[in-house]
Amino acid sequence: GAGVSQTPSNKVTEKGKYVELRCDPISGHTALYWYRQSLGQGPEFLIYFQGTGAADDSGLPNDRFFAVRPEGSVSTLKIQRTERGDSAVYLCASSRDYTGELFFGEGSRLTVL
Amino acid sequence: AQSVTQLDSQVPVFEEAPVELRCNYSSSVSVYLFWYVQYPNQGLQLLLKYLSGSTLVESINGFEAEFNKSQTSFHLRKPSVHISDTAEYFCAVSGTGTDSKLTFGTGTRLQVTL
Repeated sequence: GAGVSQTPSNKVTEKGKYVELRCDPISGHTALYWYRQSLGQGPEFLIYFQGTGAADDSGLPNDRFFAVRPEGSVSTLKIQRTERGDSAVYLCASSRDYTGELFFGEGSRLTVL
Repeated sequence: AQSVTQLDSQVPVFEEAPVELRCNYSSSVSVYLFWYVQYPNQGLQLLLKYLSGSTLVESINGFEAEFNKSQTSFHLRKPSVHISDTAEYFCAVSGTGTDSKLTFGTGTRLQVTL
């Protein structure tokens, strides 16, 4: 399909493990965003890429979280030494311009046991 | 920085009744405003947006929202709801510059029953 694709859709891991979440944006969209949504909350901004560079990473909660977009398309969110509090749905979105219309994927549900 | 307040976490309503979902925002700069909807087991999708021009904006499925700058509000309304409108609704705000980061509210669960 032509939408934003996120893999895996579900990930269960143990506390302390390393996790990677992948996002494949809509072709031609230069902006890519990662958000995190906990139960009963709205999406919380993590990081925003314009092309290959992170234009704003102010939402990353700590240095265990890192994201890359090496070729300006696919992005990977990396979480080291996972904690139970990292459990959430991680949402990726892409956009074509600056008018705020983001196209979201269905998310990756992370559960840390 | 911007923030969004959605005071109603849940709104139960009967089918064909009118509904209003409230949204207030805070910002020190000019804003764009959005409503996103999340249907059960689906991803977030844009419902409607205010960028500039007419303060009343409409969606293709009968929802409307009005930007009220003096009251810093962007309430969502529909005169007659359907069962299929049952979903989570998120209000969001961004600045108008090249930093188009969206800040979301906590969401309102609209539950439509017969």
